[in-house]
Amino acid sequence: DAGVIQSPRHEVTEMGQEVTLRCKPISGHNSLFWYRQTMMRGLELLIYFNNNVPIDDSGMPEDRFSAKMPNASFSTLKIQPSEPRDSAVYFCASNHRRLSGNTIYFGEGSWLTVV
Amino acid sequence: DQQVKQNSPSLSVQEGRISILNCDYTNSMFDYFLWYKKYPAEGPTFLISISSIKDKNEDGRFTVFLNKSAKHLSLHIVPSQPGDSAVYFCAASARVYTNAGKSTFGDGTTLTVKP
Repeated sequence: DAGVIQSPRHEVTEMGQEVTLRCKPISGHNSLFWYRQTMMRGLELLIYFNNNVPIDDSGMPEDRFSAKMPNASFSTLKIQPSEPRDSAVYFCASNHRRLSGNTIYFGEGSWLTVV
Repeated sequence: DQQVKQNSPSLSVQEGRISILNCDYTNSMFDYFLWYKKYPAEGPTFLISISSIKDKNEDGRFTVFLNKSAKHLSLHIVPSQPGDSAVYFCAASARVYTNAGKSTFGDGTTLTVKP
């Protein structure tokens, strides 16, 4: 079975540019999460969706960050404009709210460097 | 205030010996705990979990112990193998949350198992 698929795996961009990270959750999962991992703050939840609806975006750091889930098989995390402090690994994860219990399944991450 | 703490950033053990990774939490609402393992350049993967109604859960070489009164849990790996070398994240959640994706993660402990 395919796991959570993220793209791009690596991105280097200049400050001020728009960055779009993409995620395809595991088929059949109805919850999707965006996490960010940095040395300073560890692994932190940015936003999550249930049935394509954003439930909690309290972890989104600033208005420069936005996330969408237009359908059950696709989500984007956008940073506009990007800043060097946004450099981090961004993980997408999914689960089935009822069937997965308390386990979430992570993608391999998108490594973002803003210079 | 960090609600889930892994006070040891790193741990080194000899192959065949026991590895003990520790985790402390402060939020008394937490009633479900998980351990994730993460290899370099990969996303975290679920390892083992424990509910607050239990004080021990075992899965092969991995055992998690929970001490609710001390708000402490530990992961034991016996015997340790070089392939266990990875970063281990402790995570905690409260069932009252709508989804376990709201788990709070510790900063991780890097385990190195020497041959």
